[in-house]
Amino acid sequence: DTAVSQTPKYLVTQMGNDKSIKCEQNLGHDTMYWYKQDSKKFLKIMFSYNNKELIINETVPNRFSPKSPDKAHLNLHINSLELGDSAVYFCASSQARGYTFGSGTRLTVV
Amino acid sequence: GESVGLHLPTLSVQEGDNSIINCAYSNSASDYFIWYKQESGKGPQFIIDIRSNMDKRQGQRVTVLLNKTVKHLSLQIAATQPGDSAVYFCAENRGSGNTPLVFGKGTRLSVIA
Repeated sequence: DTAVSQTPKYLVTQMGNDKSIKCEQNLGHDTMYWYKQDSKKFLKIMFSYNNKELIINETVPNRFSPKSPDKAHLNLHINSLELGDSAVYFCASSQARGYTFGSGTRLTVV
Repeated sequence: GESVGLHLPTLSVQEGDNSIINCAYSNSASDYFIWYKQESGKGPQFIIDIRSNMDKRQGQRVTVLLNKTVKHLSLQIAATQPGDSAVYFCAENRGSGNTPLVFGKGTRLSVIA
């Protein structure tokens, strides 16, 4: 069983479209995250949720809206996609300081 | 071979040699450090961690060294194997349980068979 699973793995879409990425963890962790990895492999925190509540929003544009229906799920919706949104997006979960990452969603905006 | 992980350098080592990957961190308040390995098409995977009250920790073929005086972290991989080829990241955590990991810039390790 995959501990942190993201769907889809690849997403190609046109500028201006709205898309969602889903994440689910079956580890029973309280905290979930979205990280963005750019073309230079730099990993940057976007959001952090603890038990369905947003606790960190790292100056991410309003076009990005995370939603956590329960503590096992953290979805990411992106409105009006721009070329600069192309990246790999990683979901992660943690309990205390042990992090587990999903395998990533490669988003390509054309 | 050695690298300084301030950009995304590539470290090339011969199979069987030891590798040293370096990382400089910025926040003296960080008290927990982790090394991650990221293979192509996968998410970061935990390798080894160290708390700030230690200066060395060993795992299987890996050793992490922490120098708090100069805010430097290194990962040593003994007898490097082709399966070790990946991008390696250091990450720091700054105390509070809700504070997310902050990643350093990675280092690509290429093992020459």
